[in-house]
Amino acid sequence: GESVGLHLPTLSVQEGDNSIINCAYSNSASDYFIWYKQESGKGPQFIIDIRSNMDKRQGQRVTVLLNKTVKHLSLQIAATQPGDSAVYFCAENLQGAQKLVFGQGTRLTINP
Amino acid sequence: DAGVIQSPRHEVTEMGQEVTLRCKPISGHDYLFWYRQTMMRGLELLIYFNNNVPIDDSGMPEDRFSAKMPNASFSTLKIQPSEPRDSAVYFCASSLYNNEQFFGPGTRLTVL
Repeated sequence: GESVGLHLPTLSVQEGDNSIINCAYSNSASDYFIWYKQESGKGPQFIIDIRSNMDKRQGQRVTVLLNKTVKHLSLQIAATQPGDSAVYFCAENLQGAQKLVFGQGTRLTINP
Repeated sequence: DAGVIQSPRHEVTEMGQEVTLRCKPISGHDYLFWYRQTMMRGLELLIYFNNNVPIDDSGMPEDRFSAKMPNASFSTLKIQPSEPRDSAVYFCASSLYNNEQFFGPGTRLTVL
């Protein structure tokens, strides 16, 4: 089911390669950031988060990097698998507010 | 835990009709959020509650939209009267304190 825009940025990678998805956030006062994965017809699913007092955080096969100087966030997925195909959203939370602002999303497609 | 539960999963109605979307958050979570996702505007926060109290409804598009949370385990989003431009996927999410939000599967609303 369509749940995202027709003109999403798209990243195509070979199965087994590493994927890097980038996100520019808007507010320098944001202090919490999350990456979500959304598969077709489903709700966004939490992947990994990071707070502004860190610049790197690792999970299972995923790493999030935060560069506050240029307000940039990236998600690295190691050894990309077919099941990683989805739209990936970054979200920022303003300091003191329980309110996420989502980016437009990036569609990740895996080539066999 | 079953996760966030939303009903119905699909709703098709005619312009002018009242629509009620339902959400059961994860037990113990103290925040509940309603989002709308469209191709054109992406994922937008409509309103959120903390301990059943509406905190920020600045995302509610107009007076035709209303949301309630009568208790910690139930919330509704109502549109009256509905219009074709309300067609979208509506997500409910819940969280504990200022942590990651868990999304439900969404309700796909089509207004004819």
